[in-house]
Amino acid sequence: AQKVTQAQTEISVVEKEDVTLDCVYETRDTTYYLFWYKQPPSGELVFLIRRNSFDEQNEISGRYSWNFQKSTSSFNFTITASQVVDSAVYFCALRGANDYKLSFGAGTTVTVRA
Amino acid sequence: GAVVSQHPSWVICKSGTSVKIECRSLDFQATTMFWYRQFPKQSLMLMATSNEGSKATYEQGVEKDKFLINHASLTLSTLTVTSAHPEDSSFYICSAISGGREKLFFGSGTQLSVL
Repeated sequence: AQKVTQAQTEISVVEKEDVTLDCVYETRDTTYYLFWYKQPPSGELVFLIRRNSFDEQNEISGRYSWNFQKSTSSFNFTITASQVVDSAVYFCALRGANDYKLSFGAGTTVTVRA
Repeated sequence: GAVVSQHPSWVICKSGTSVKIECRSLDFQATTMFWYRQFPKQSLMLMATSNEGSKATYEQGVEKDKFLINHASLTLSTLTVTSAHPEDSSFYICSAISGGREKLFFGSGTQLSVL
């Protein structure tokens, strides 16, 4: 069975602060994919990143960065210099290599105040 | 632009009626689609896997007779909530993949409110 845990339910920051979202996962698969999605108030899911379990390189995309630590089964996400437009619910998700069904974490609501 | 179109975006219906939600892949053929359900302030829970030309595979606890899924073509899957009740009120969202693609595309979701 696969499980994704996002321990932080809500995070509130002031604009320009950095915010880190934690994600811990459990899987028996040796090959798997990890994802982060953003869900703004409108409801649609916005794909942010996919990471293969064999690729432990950290990644940076603009103000977003991800830290994948296979040894601790964590895939954390940091927003640098947060902006009000970053306010949304962020989901971490996991799937096996041969299964396209995603297991989602509970989500973390990020509120960025001006 | 959106590659998966979901319609309608929101629907309000009376208890006891049936509601159909459509999920279309716009620029690719989707052999497999997924239907998720999301209650307010909760996570997305997979309801079923929809395979073109065959019966859907439902997750444990999901009533197949209540949530009818039809995937009659490579670009369209429909979810029909039959005899809807207020407890079926939720956000329903579909996703689609095609052979060879590694990225899932999500529809924009449908907010169902049953009065």
